[in-house]
This record gives sequence, C-alpha cells and structure tokens, in this order.
Amino acid sequence: DSGVTQTPKHLITATGQRVTLRCSPRSGDLSVYWYQQSLDQGLQFLIQYYNGEERAKGNILERFSAQQFPDLHSELNLSSLELGDSALYFCASSAEQGALADTQYFGPGTRLTVL
Amino acid sequence: DQQVKQNSPSLSVQEGRISILNCDYTNSMFDYFLWYKKYPAEGPTFLISISSIKDKNEDGRFTVFLNKSAKHLSLHIVPSQPGDSAVYFCAASNFGNEKLTFGTGTRLTIIP
Repeated sequence: DSGVTQTPKHLITATGQRVTLRCSPRSGDLSVYWYQQSLDQGLQFLIQYYNGEERAKGNILERFSAQQFPDLHSELNLSSLELGDSALYFCASSAEQGALADTQYFGPGTRLTVL
Repeated sequence: DQQVKQNSPSLSVQEGRISILNCDYTNSMFDYFLWYKKYPAEGPTFLISISSIKDKNEDGRFTVFLNKSAKHLSLHIVPSQPGDSAVYFCAASNFGNEKLTFGTGTRLTIIP
C-alpha cells in the first residue's frame, strides 16, 4: 500500500459527459502528479501540483483541468469526454519539490471507460 | 517522440536465473532514472533509482546499471523469483523538473 488513495476505482460514462477523479496523497506529501495510461502505452504525465499551486504541465488536453485543495487532495476534471479518453488515470505524490526529483508513490488508479 | 524506450514488450526467464530489462533514452538532459514495477489492477511501485553521477546502484536482488554515453540503462534481477512477474517501467527526469517520462513497459514472466 503506497498510502496514495484514488476514487473511484472504476468509472463508466458516455461521450460528452464530465467526470471528476479524486486523489489523496501520502500523509505529508505536498506534490501531486496526474498520469494517463492508455492501452499498451506508457504513463503520460499530465500535470503536477505543489502545495496548491500548479508546477508543471505535460500533455494535458484543454478539456482536462486539475486542482489541489488546501488539505492537499487533488481532483482531475475531464469534460466533453471522447472515446479516446478511456484509460487508466494514476495519481502520484512525493514529498519534495525542487532540486532533486524525489521518488513518486502511485495510487491504484482510476479506470475510466467512455462508451 | 518517445524519449524513453523499452524495446522489449515481454521477457520470459526461468526461476533462479538472471532477468535483464533494458531501457534507452534520447534526452541527454535526463539525470535521474527510476524503475517501477506494476502488478495488474495496482499502481506502479517504486523499485530502484539511479542518478547520473553513478553508473550502478544495488538494492538486494535488484541492480540498475547506467551507461550515459550509450544513453542506456538496465535492471538486473538475480535470482529471479515467481513474484517478480510483473510489468516493469523505466522512467527518467531532469534536474529541477519533477515530471517523469516513462517507457512503455516490459512484461516479465518468471517460469517456475
């Protein structure tokens, strides 16, 4: 158990809909990262938050947005969903931000299926 | 543009033998490398890391080797055990940038 929790585990929805994925980082970790893993692909970095502030952006679509709340949990919002958005979405957390890349600890993921 | 590549999608190894997983990268700015292991229905689990100032890092049965001139790293597992059967991802990052760039993974199967 990494200490990172994600809800829900599974989500099935229709095209055009909007969903929210939730992540709680390990106790004490200030950084939260979101990754997308499509079928047979590696994990693609989407976005990072540190202590409530956006720190880095990867290949995140404009239809997607995220935020980190004062209690450090994070939400990833996906809107106008398309079939191609079906994927595993992972959240990771780490303690430090800055000089050295710190080990990231991953949650179990949310499997999103768009029908 | 795949900056981190794992060219072998799968590998089968006899129990007790050495497993060698390979990873190549193209971005010379990468200076920190990690290996993650992933079981089905679980998130990736950190296994071992190495910074670019070293060429080898060992942790029990796991050793990671880094060849900066070839932009190549490898993970050695000795001896291989059935519980090592999983998908292994290599990942890389560069100084001051926490985002990880992942390879596509290698599925390792240990044959009893």
